[in-house]
Amino acid sequence: QKEVEQNSGPLSVPEGAIASLNCTYSDRGSQSFFWYRQYSGKSPELIMFIYSNGDKEDGRFTAQLNKASQYVSLLIRDSQPSDSATYLCAVNALRWGGGADGLTFGKGTHLIIQP
Amino acid sequence: DGGITQSPKYLFRKEGQNVTLSCEQNLNHDAMYWYRQDPGQGLRLIYYSQIVNDFQKGDIAEGYSVSREKKESFPLTVTSAQKNPTAFYLCASSATPTGNTEAFFGQGTRLTVV
Repeated sequence: QKEVEQNSGPLSVPEGAIASLNCTYSDRGSQSFFWYRQYSGKSPELIMFIYSNGDKEDGRFTAQLNKASQYVSLLIRDSQPSDSATYLCAVNALRWGGGADGLTFGKGTHLIIQP
Repeated sequence: DGGITQSPKYLFRKEGQNVTLSCEQNLNHDAMYWYRQDPGQGLRLIYYSQIVNDFQKGDIAEGYSVSREKKESFPLTVTSAQKNPTAFYLCASSATPTGNTEAFFGQGTRLTVV
């Protein structure tokens, strides 16, 4: 059974600070990793994806992947009140013989940016 | 505009009824997925399809059925066998079935049993 674990929060961060969101996964065969943001009542929207060990930066967002330790994180710099949302970590693993069988999601971390 | 369209946005079902949720995409994506989300929970995979005329059960397929007769369409039927169908249903698609492409979501359908 593939599992993706996230701290449910809420994680409260002052405006302008760095928000750090963490995620661990159980399947060592996982190949690709995604962070989605979900506002209340809305569908998830993709923020970042990362496939290789190390850091990947996109604007105020940085995704970090460590396959040996089986964790992936998301850093949000200069946090804004509009960043307040639930952040979902998702992992994809290839099935035997190729092809993917859908993303496995964590339950999400509720982030609150305090003005 | 390219995207994924789910309809209806809100759906009410009586006990014992089957209902069908629509999902259409014009992104020319090969893979399509159905997820269910309960309050305070993550997304759980119901069914997925990597190619037309083929689909596979996800983690919680019991009480649901799907079809993939066209590349752009992947409807989900919630049958009367699904004992607790009230949830937020999300359809997604990705360009290829290989796993290394991101999935994009429709706006969701909120189903309520009355």
